[in-house]
Amino acid sequence: GESVGLHLPTLSVQEGDNSIINCAYSNSASDYFIWYKQESGKGPQFIIDIRSNMDKRQGQRVTVLLNKTVKHLSLQIAATQPGDSAVYFCAEDGGMDSSYKLIFGSGTRLLVRP
Amino acid sequence: DGGITQSPKYLFRKEGQNVTLSCEQNLNHDAMYWYRQDPGQGLRLIYYSQIVNDFQKGDIAEGYSVSREKKESFPLTVTSAQKNPTAFYLCASSTLGSQGEKLFFGSGTQLSVL
Repeated sequence: GESVGLHLPTLSVQEGDNSIINCAYSNSASDYFIWYKQESGKGPQFIIDIRSNMDKRQGQRVTVLLNKTVKHLSLQIAATQPGDSAVYFCAEDGGMDSSYKLIFGSGTRLLVRP
Repeated sequence: DGGITQSPKYLFRKEGQNVTLSCEQNLNHDAMYWYRQDPGQGLRLIYYSQIVNDFQKGDIAEGYSVSREKKESFPLTVTSAQKNPTAFYLCASSTLGSQGEKLFFGSGTQLSVL
């Protein structure tokens, strides 16, 4: 079946550096993609989203890039801070066949070294 | 404050017991969802509801039941048929759109077996 996966389970970065978290998706019918941040013992928090008619979207210190040709999604965090340490999930809507319900990847843990 | 509230934060279940997790939202969202999260893994959909008095099974509905008697409330019952209930349970809500929509999550309930 269709699935969302992540390339790296754990990413360690130096404070102040930029972070890039990658995500591969396999459902070409997916129209909507979203990134969440989850701290230990808490619910996921929305970071940024993007629809398939765009290839880049920027927020505050975060940028999401969508490459539909290779079915790849990435989250870039500028000037990574200790408070960015968390697990990051990407999700896709799966298209009409899944009634546009979000399908989540398994997550990447971001560790920020002081 | 608008949001989605889950209770209790921690819940313990004895052998053969049914337990109910509460989820309430005041965001006026039509759709509500229950996800299960196991350690180090992503979110798996248990049940979802797009309208009052109607709900659909997700990917792992066996051993669980739900009701949607009010728009604001979507309680989840973990029945004795669920043999491995220990997990972190997340409730979410969203507006209903023609395509994928952002989910707003509660803070979660950690269920453990005594």
